[in-house]
Amino acid sequence: GQNIDQPTEMTATEGAIVQINCTYQTSGFNGLFWYQQHAGEAPTFLSYNVLDGLEEKGRFSSFLSRSKGYSYLLLKELQMKDSASYLCAVRSHSGGYQKVTFGTGTKLQVIP
Amino acid sequence: KAGVTQTPRYLIKTRGQQVTLSCSPISGHRSVSWYQQTPGQGLQFLFEYFSETQRNKGNFPGRFSGRQFSNSRSEMNVSTLELGDSALYLCASSLVPSTDTQYFGPGTRLTVL
Repeated sequence: GQNIDQPTEMTATEGAIVQINCTYQTSGFNGLFWYQQHAGEAPTFLSYNVLDGLEEKGRFSSFLSRSKGYSYLLLKELQMKDSASYLCAVRSHSGGYQKVTFGTGTKLQVIP
Repeated sequence: KAGVTQTPRYLIKTRGQQVTLSCSPISGHRSVSWYQQTPGQGLQFLFEYFSETQRNKGNFPGRFSGRQFSNSRSEMNVSTLELGDSALYLCASSLVPSTDTQYFGPGTRLTVL
């Protein structure tokens, strides 16, 4: 089976930096995604990591350590519009098929 | 290029009824996945279709079923609705099964009374 853990809620201040952690246990790991979901809207793709290391994309960066089953999403220069849920999702393969499993998400609140 | 579309956007049904939801993927995308999202459970994978064939299935009862047509459009059906089926049902499309980024539609909000 698979197990994905993220903090349920986080609060950070506008202009600051926040790190959202995700730990996972899975067999056949084949990549990790981060999605952003605003209330009442569909998830939108933020980043994808399959190799160890840091992927930077503007104000957002994502890190992966496959040996530790650990990833984080780093948001810099926080803006009020960054208030949303952030979903960690793990892709894995077994039996010739691949599937994506989502964590329950971290609700981030950005305050002035 | 148009995004993923889902119809209807909102639906109210009563217990015991059945419902059919529709999803049209991004043009050229051949893989469609369905998810159920509830506040307590987050996003739960239902099933994935590619070339009209179900490629993978999550841990949902047989009341949940789906299909894909030759134009890659997909439908999911829930029979004998229960109160616990109230959720946001999201469809996501990708070029090929689970090997590329998934793009989500706006979802169908199903309320079972």
